[in-house]
Amino acid sequence: KNQVEQSPQSLIILEGKNCTLQCNYTVSPFSNLRWYKQDTGRGPVSLTIMTFSENTKSNGRYTATLDADTKQSSLHITASQLSDSASYICVVSDRGSTLGRLYFGRGTQLTVWP
Amino acid sequence: EADIYQTPRYLVIGTGKKITLECSQTMGHDKMYWYQQDPGMELHLIHYSYGVNSTEKGDLSSESTVSRIRTEHFPLTLESARPSHTSQYLCASSEEAEGQETQYFGPGTRLLVL
Repeated sequence: KNQVEQSPQSLIILEGKNCTLQCNYTVSPFSNLRWYKQDTGRGPVSLTIMTFSENTKSNGRYTATLDADTKQSSLHITASQLSDSASYICVVSDRGSTLGRLYFGRGTQLTVWP
Repeated sequence: EADIYQTPRYLVIGTGKKITLECSQTMGHDKMYWYQQDPGMELHLIHYSYGVNSTEKGDLSSESTVSRIRTEHFPLTLESARPSHTSQYLCASSEEAEGQETQYFGPGTRLLVL
């Protein structure tokens, strides 16, 4: 069964600290993995996308890694800010085109305290 | 910021009422989606469309219906709302670039059925 599992379910950190969120998937075939940030009451916004051949991708203070062999990805947030408080969702596609299917994780709820 | 809009943003309605959730995008995307998201849970696809006059049911069974008369407009209708329909509804559209699909989400409609 194709699944996307994220951990931890929730995380609280202090402003300025770093954190790492995990995503494990069993989706096959695999086309790409995307991390989304969803602020409360808003729709998800794409942070990074990685295909099979990519190991790491950065977007400012966000760095995503992908190990396609172990089917694991992580999202590392550096020097956290209050505005980083959000749900971070891992999404895996089995085909890159619009004919593909997306598999969503339940997200990690990150809270950054001052 | 994606040019995809949803109205209303919040809706409280009584059981048995007919409601229509509006979604529009100005990016000219052919493919559009409706997702249902409960707190702490993954997004579930309930409807999608490949273009005008094309609509398909998604993975999650839903009593709602959709229509696609114009490219930019993809409304979702509930003929008779029930408390079990209480949820957040997210609309999205997508484009394909360099072999990869990118989805853009609207801000969502939070529905409460009393």
